[in-house]
Amino acid sequence: GDSVTQMEGPVTLSEEAFLTINCTYTATGYPSLFWYVQYPGEGLQLLLKATKADDKGSNKGFEATYRKETTSFHLEKGSVQVSDSAVYFCALSAGGTSYGKLTFGQGTILTVHP
Amino acid sequence: DAGVIQSPRHEVTEMGQEVTLRCKPISGHNSLFWYRQTMMRGLELLIYFNNNVPIDDSGMPEDRFSAKMPNASFSTLKIQPSEPRDSAVYFCASSSEFTYNEQFFGPGTRLTVL
Repeated sequence: GDSVTQMEGPVTLSEEAFLTINCTYTATGYPSLFWYVQYPGEGLQLLLKATKADDKGSNKGFEATYRKETTSFHLEKGSVQVSDSAVYFCALSAGGTSYGKLTFGQGTILTVHP
Repeated sequence: DAGVIQSPRHEVTEMGQEVTLRCKPISGHNSLFWYRQTMMRGLELLIYFNNNVPIDDSGMPEDRFSAKMPNASFSTLKIQPSEPRDSAVYFCASSSEFTYNEQFFGPGTRLTVL
């Protein structure tokens, strides 16, 4: 079945450091890929998405590229801020008859110190 | 445009009591999802509906849990009787096939069972 694997956390960085959170997936067909972010005390919200191979999603300085050859969708940001501290979830939607069901990774806790 | 609405935001109850959580999806969305999030188990998909019909309830932990979607604008998740191990944050999310199945999450209901 479909699955998503994220790098284990927690990740602790200093402000302005470079961020990478690895995400790889297993799916049949051509899934859509997502990164969601959850700030403390809130629900998940979409950070970025990519719907086909080689697409790059970007938002708020974060980027991720849909790599079909390596089945990956790694999240990157060149310079993190304290306000980026949150839990980040990688997810895929298989499409077809999945009715929009998302398969989530386990989440990665990011803490950014001043 | 209002997002996904959940009520109540917080619920404290005693073991054995019935608990009903409510969700109003975004207008026009045809899929609805109920999740549970805890520190120990992370984010779990409990059940999801498409066009008001339950598609997969394999994530519902026990017969004490039930969910309904009587119309396109309302869903409930009921726990009867509640137990302390049901304490968690419960999220509702909705999506549309026309937006590549991006899910929009509500703010969650924090349930505490004493």
